[in-house]
Amino acid sequence: DTEVTQTPKHLVMGMTNKKSLKCEQHMGHRAMYWYKQKAKKPPELMFVYSYEKLSINESVPSRFSPECPNSSLLNLHLHALQPEDSALYLCASSQVGQGVSVAFFGQGTRLTVV
Amino acid sequence: QKEVEQNSGPLSVPEGAIASLNCTYSDRVSQSFFWYRQYSGKSPELIMSIYSNGDKEDGRFTAQLNKASQYVSLLIRDSQPSDSATYLCAVNMWDNQGGKLIFGQGTELSVKP
Repeated sequence: DTEVTQTPKHLVMGMTNKKSLKCEQHMGHRAMYWYKQKAKKPPELMFVYSYEKLSINESVPSRFSPECPNSSLLNLHLHALQPEDSALYLCASSQVGQGVSVAFFGQGTRLTVV
Repeated sequence: QKEVEQNSGPLSVPEGAIASLNCTYSDRVSQSFFWYRQYSGKSPELIMSIYSNGDKEDGRFTAQLNKASQYVSLLIRDSQPSDSATYLCAVNMWDNQGGKLIFGQGTELSVKP
């Protein structure tokens, strides 16, 4: 099973709303990632969790707050977003080791900020 | 200099032809290289991974890696219209925070029937 499940698939939120994106995997992977992808652009790394600890934050604004409650779950809490934050948000997971092993992506959450 | 660069598209090939996709990277210590396929509106799907110099074949796909030249490529033989997608080259890179997967800009491939 190489499945990474993201919910919701689509989300529309106002600039004053608080919402969360969820990601789950049961492959035993101990590295989990959040990427942001705008139209016609490649995925852009936001955060990396390794063994449930935040290891990489690519200078992401504080209105995005990641959380890794356990080895299978990854959340991204959203607050006071801007319309330019509208994008496809992708979660991925992989083994932890020398270098980066194969990363499997979820189907993404299409976020629209109005 | 961008960390991962791909040849500019879009690339258009006729059905049955060979499609050649290229990628160069800047980090000499990178050890892991990946090709992902992404259909419009969908998430990236792994096509190939390669870790050693040389060729790696899987069905109609062949990945080629040359670490000395910091170059990785993907050949798609007998291209089909269903291969029409954006192909993303991804390379693991290390900095003082750890390892991370960095993507090239992607090459849009169109296979014409």
